[in-house]
Amino acid sequence: DTGVSQNPRHKITKRGQNVTFRCDPISEHNRLYWYRQTLGQGPEFLTYFQNEAQLEKSRLLSDRFSAERPKGSFSTLEIQRTEQGDSAMYLCASSLTSGLLSYNEQFFGPGTRLTVL
Amino acid sequence: ELKVEQNPLFLSMQEGKNYTIYCNYSTTSDRLYWYRQDPGKSLESLFVLLSNGAVKQEGRLMASLDTKARLSTLHITAAVHDLSATYFCAPRQTGTASKLTFGTGTRLQVTL
Repeated sequence: DTGVSQNPRHKITKRGQNVTFRCDPISEHNRLYWYRQTLGQGPEFLTYFQNEAQLEKSRLLSDRFSAERPKGSFSTLEIQRTEQGDSAMYLCASSLTSGLLSYNEQFFGPGTRLTVL
Repeated sequence: ELKVEQNPLFLSMQEGKNYTIYCNYSTTSDRLYWYRQDPGKSLESLFVLLSNGAVKQEGRLMASLDTKARLSTLHITAAVHDLSATYFCAPRQTGTASKLTFGTGTRLQVTL
């Protein structure tokens, strides 16, 4: 399977704990994105990387959130001191950007559903 | 800040009927994407619309883009039950590299 993969698929944690999610993009895709989706809403942009550089972060991304893409391949999203409001589906997407005519179409992974008790 | 409004939010339609979902956005966009999401699943890319007047069709779905009106439509022809899902439009704001802003989605339910 050459699609975007995410692990774990589900995570239940207690308030105040730290959690880390992993995303493996489609190989050779140079851009990687993180979104958050709550029930009944569309995905909200959190941050994105081009190769290993984090180029944009949303204001939604508080100090408790940190994302890395150390070698320009997989990425991790860590949430420290989780709160109940962090409960959501965390989606990862990747795209290939190669010039002005690139579609830059984003392909999404299955998501990690976080529940904070 | 780009704002995206879809309507209707919920659509129940009978098999065989036609209907249109509307996507309005507030600021200049240079391209627009349509995605489908089944319950509990991730997003599946349907269309990428790159320019004013762009029209794309795949099966019973046809998407169009009017950048001057800041409007995209997703037209459903002769709906079938398999089309039941939530549909999102996501314009990319001009001048931003990659950030997509999603609408709230239109939940489509096709009944027999």
